Amino acid sequence: NAGVTQTPKFRILKIGQSMTLQCTQDMNHNYMYWYRQDPGMGLKLIYYSVGAGITDKGEVPNGYNVSRSTTEDFPLRLELAAPSQTSVYFCASSTGQLRETQYFGPGTRLLVL
Amino acid sequence: AQSVAQPEDQVNVAEGNPLTVKCTYSVSGNPYLFWYVQYPNRGLQFLLKYITGDNLVKGSYGFEAEFNKSQTSFHLKKPSALVSDSALYFCAVRHQMGFGNEKLTFGTGTRLTIIP
Repeated sequence: NAGVTQTPKFRILKIGQSMTLQCTQDMNHNYMYWYRQDPGMGLKLIYYSVGAGITDKGEVPNGYNVSRSTTEDFPLRLELAAPSQTSVYFCASSTGQLRETQYFGPGTRLLVL
Repeated sequence: AQSVAQPEDQVNVAEGNPLTVKCTYSVSGNPYLFWYVQYPNRGLQFLLKYITGDNLVKGSYGFEAEFNKSQTSFHLKKPSALVSDSALYFCAVRHQMGFGNEKLTFGTGTRLTIIP
C-alpha cells in the first residue's frame, strides 16, 4: 500500500518558471491537502479539496493553483515561481472526518533562484 | 481563532531519561488533538490523537500524551528516551471551518534531541 506519493522529490526553478507538483493517494480518501513547510513556521495550508471537482483556498493560496479531476490525484501548480515559494511542500489526505488522521506524503523540496 | 503553541523550539534529553514535549491549544468547542513526528527528509508521521475519553492517550513508539482541559494542554511524553526518538515533533488541533470542511492547525514544531 503506497499511501500518499509525491513527485518530484527535489526541484530547482528559476524565477518566473512554472511547474506542477504531483500528488497521488491510493486510500480512496475524499479529502486532500497541500501544505508548505518553512523553517520554524510549522505547516501552512495552501489549498485543499473535499472531493473530485471541489477545491478551496487555505491560508496561503497566492501564487498557486490546484485541480482535482479524480479522487486519487491532486496536483499543485506554480505559474510564476518566486523566491518566496522556496519551501518544502507536503501533500496529505484523509477521510475528512474530524477524528481521523491525515496521512502525509514524503514531500517535495523546491528551490527558486 | 484556533491555534496551537509549542513553547520550546528545542528540547534536549539524555538517553534513558523521561521526555516531555509541550503543547497548548486554543479552540472553540471540543478539541481533536494530534501529535505528528517528522524524521529528516521525510513526511510527517502520525503518533497519536485525542478525540474523547481517557485523558492519557497511548500512541506509537512508546509515546503517550496527556490531555488537560483545564490547562488546555496536550503534552507529549515518553518514560525512557531513545536516540532514535530524535526528530521534529508537531502538535496539531483539528477543527471545522464550515460544513464539511475541516482544517488541521499545526504548531511550529519542537526539535527533540536525545543525547547518548
